[in-house]
Amino acid sequence: LAKTTQPISMDSYEGQEVNITCSHNNIATNDYITWYQQFPSQGPRFIIQGYKTKVTNEVASLFIPADRKSSTLSLPRVSLSDTAVYYCLVGDTGGFKTIFGAGTRLFVKA
Amino acid sequence: DTGVSQDPRHKITKRGQNVTFRCDPISEHNRLYWYRQTLGQGPEFLTYFQNEAQLEKSRLLSDRFSAERPKGSFSTLEIQRTEQGDSAMYLCASTGLAGRGEQFFGPGTRLTVL
Repeated sequence: LAKTTQPISMDSYEGQEVNITCSHNNIATNDYITWYQQFPSQGPRFIIQGYKTKVTNEVASLFIPADRKSSTLSLPRVSLSDTAVYYCLVGDTGGFKTIFGAGTRLFVKA
Repeated sequence: DTGVSQDPRHKITKRGQNVTFRCDPISEHNRLYWYRQTLGQGPEFLTYFQNEAQLEKSRLLSDRFSAERPKGSFSTLEIQRTEQGDSAMYLCASTGLAGRGEQFFGPGTRLTVL
């Protein structure tokens, strides 16, 4: 299983774009990159998943360079409610063992 | 169906007691996961079921822990002879075979061992 490295914490202000980068140097050919968001006292919630290039949905964008050794989660115009922990995971979606790291604590200030 | 549910949401017990938690996954999901999460850490994988078969167990799952999914629907996680170090949030997640492997998490059961 590929190990991921993320910043421990980040601060931002409301309305700004936030980019959280995750390193996964040992990513395998079959691995996808998945991001989850977790609020205190709740289970994680899926945000976005991608394999290569760029993926965008209604809440975020995921940028993956050609070598796939890193990925960047982009949150446009964050609000106070985006304050949460964000986890980057790498693995085969057909596999069953999921490894969460410590995540990145994003704190959005007014 | 409103998602993954877990019961109870909170459990306080004395050291040495047995506890059992229940997870009801999304009805059409055949994969079910259990995780443990302590303060400031990400969820740690405990075990995985595909239908009723338990296919993987983490080394974190000591002999005092047992999980079942008897009919491939709901699952239970039992901890025998609880220890203070078992205090944590226990999370359940489910996913279907098709799709992106996105896991849907329940709200968790917070266990406090006194």
